[in-house]
Amino acid sequence: DGGITQSPKYLFRKEGQNVTLSCEQNLNHDAMYWYRQDPGQGLRLIYYSQIVNDFQKGDIAEGYSVSREKKESFPLTVTSAQKNPTAFYLCASSLPQGQLNTEAFFGQGTRLTVV
Amino acid sequence: AQTVTQSQPEMSVQEAETVTLSCTYDTSESNYYLFWYKQPPSRQMILVIRQEAYKQQNATENRFSVNFQKAAKSFSLKISDSQLGDTAMYFCAFMVGGGSNYKLTFGKGTLLTVNP
Repeated sequence: DGGITQSPKYLFRKEGQNVTLSCEQNLNHDAMYWYRQDPGQGLRLIYYSQIVNDFQKGDIAEGYSVSREKKESFPLTVTSAQKNPTAFYLCASSLPQGQLNTEAFFGQGTRLTVV
Repeated sequence: AQTVTQSQPEMSVQEAETVTLSCTYDTSESNYYLFWYKQPPSRQMILVIRQEAYKQQNATENRFSVNFQKAAKSFSLKISDSQLGDTAMYFCAFMVGGGSNYKLTFGKGTLLTVNP
């Protein structure tokens, strides 16, 4: 079945450690996105990528890094520089704007907690 | 910068009644897509309805319909015959850009509660 998979579902991190969240899609989508969700804040864009080996900063990129070495994969690293990393993280993918039936498909999310 | 504003943090409606969720956006682009997504307690994001900006006809999907006012940059969602399963967080979003540079921006959401 085609879809987008995030792992792990729950992740615990000690302060000062880097951690990587996985996002894989088999929908053959060009674009992939990472969002952070906090109560009352909606979905805030961290990074996005439209093609392999290229990505752009979103609205809250500080303390995060990404890579796009393969079309199917867009991992997000939460670094120790991120001051308040505890949040729910959502990955999404989409076809380019202008394609018929453009929409974003989402993974099930990763809940990151700093302990 | 493109922005999406949902002015109603929370709303409630009685089962079987109709409710309208508001959304406004700001962009200088003329071609874009608008979406309403639903996030139930499971937190899985589900597409409710989509509207292409170049289409004048308002989109409908069963009990869900939109009122798209391009000049006013308004995109409201109407839910008819509300059901208990409609209880969820609803996000308005739009995709804008061209060529290989496009992004998807969300509002802060409206928490809708359907009461029995």
